Amino acid sequence: GAVVSQHPSWVICKSGTSVKIECRSLDFQATTMFWYRQFPKQSLMLMATSNEGSKATYEQGVEKDKFLINHASLTLSTLTVTSAHPEDSSFYICSAKNRDTYNEQFFGPGTRLTVL
Amino acid sequence: AQSVTQLDSQVPVFEEAPVELRCNYSSSVSVYLFWYVQYPNQGLQLLLKYLSGSTLVKGINGFEAEFNKSQTSFHLRKPSVHISDTAEYFCAVSDRGGYSTLTFGKGTMLLVSP
Repeated sequence: GAVVSQHPSWVICKSGTSVKIECRSLDFQATTMFWYRQFPKQSLMLMATSNEGSKATYEQGVEKDKFLINHASLTLSTLTVTSAHPEDSSFYICSAKNRDTYNEQFFGPGTRLTVL
Repeated sequence: AQSVTQLDSQVPVFEEAPVELRCNYSSSVSVYLFWYVQYPNQGLQLLLKYLSGSTLVKGINGFEAEFNKSQTSFHLRKPSVHISDTAEYFCAVSDRGGYSTLTFGKGTMLLVSP
């Protein structure tokens, strides 16, 4: 149980285009989902916290107009990178929290974004 | 606010040797503690967690960790490593309330050689 999927697993796009990444909890209801960014050989940096039906809470320094997060249901959150540029290239990982498992987060497999 | 320090960025060991990956944390409130493993180009997999109770926590793949409140540490250990344990290991903490966001350490790369 507690499986989280991400789609796509990798994406290559041209500079200036927008890219949407989906995060789904497959077998549980995720009241909260988190989006992280990971640069090569570095730790995960929390970008935003997303609660179903409400606006996401962004961490300091994260542009909310560039990284649009939508958490429309208890099993789906999306991250849209708008007008992507090469510096947005990174590994994006989502996680989801089950209301029944206290603080444990279940992580998706990640999405590798490359902006040319 | 919390912070996590993983003292070693890289730990090379030989197969079947014991290993300890160190983690220290700082927090003004009580926390939950976690160890995650990340294989190349993959997400994070939970190894073990400390929520309360016994300070010695056993996880998957033969790993265990001990919570030491006085030393604010949560070191990860395995008595005999395998080649397949080669991966990045992250220690993380979260507070016990609110949205309980995770704060990660910078990670320790465990390199197991034959």
